[in-house]
Amino acid sequence: GAGVSQSPSNKVTEKGKDVELRCDPISGHTALYWYRQSLGQGLEFLIYFQGNSAPDKSGLPSDRFSAERTGGSVSTLTIQRTQQEDSAVYLCASSPESGAEAFFGQGTRLTVV
Amino acid sequence: AQSVTQLDSHVSVSEGTPVLLRCNYSSSYSPSLFWYVQHPNKGLQLLLKYTSAATLVKGINGFEAEFKKSETSFHLTKPSAHMSDAAEYFCVVSATSKSWGKLQFGAGTQVVVTP
Repeated sequence: GAGVSQSPSNKVTEKGKDVELRCDPISGHTALYWYRQSLGQGLEFLIYFQGNSAPDKSGLPSDRFSAERTGGSVSTLTIQRTQQEDSAVYLCASSPESGAEAFFGQGTRLTVV
Repeated sequence: AQSVTQLDSHVSVSEGTPVLLRCNYSSSYSPSLFWYVQHPNKGLQLLLKYTSAATLVKGINGFEAEFKKSETSFHLTKPSAHMSDAAEYFCVVSATSKSWGKLQFGAGTQVVVTP
């Protein structure tokens, strides 16, 4: 597709369950970001992939959060044992190179009940 | 290390009057700077970017920003606000070194436009 695609667009899950959020970046983009945006808040950095370099995981809030990027393309953000405070919109973005502008997906709205 | 500070969390302007959103940054490397806009229940859209070319950058919807290295600022302006400018605006900094490409977002400025 032409833009960054995220799926699902909405996810409701029960507390304690695991969830997987998917991001399909723009083809050829080497950089990929995950951010979290809680209601009325700014963007919280989670993780950053750049080419074949080790990802910058400094923003992951706990060891329940993990992400991988397979083949330098699709990325999956996994949240284990979800908690209510994990409820937020999870945004993925990709960029053609390090330091260039990022193009954002529409996000996945996660609700933990 | 890099960081970005948006000096106003909320700005209220009357339609037709100028808009000024203030942003200061710090970066150990030559920075790239961006402004993004997020309308209610919409995705993030790039307004404009500075990448070490002209210091005055023009963006979409009549917005522009000026990079001032001596002041470490990248303020966003628009001469005349429109009702459709009501949104949240984010200033973003990124170092241009290949190993330091992470985008650092400011906390955002909520813009309200009154008739």
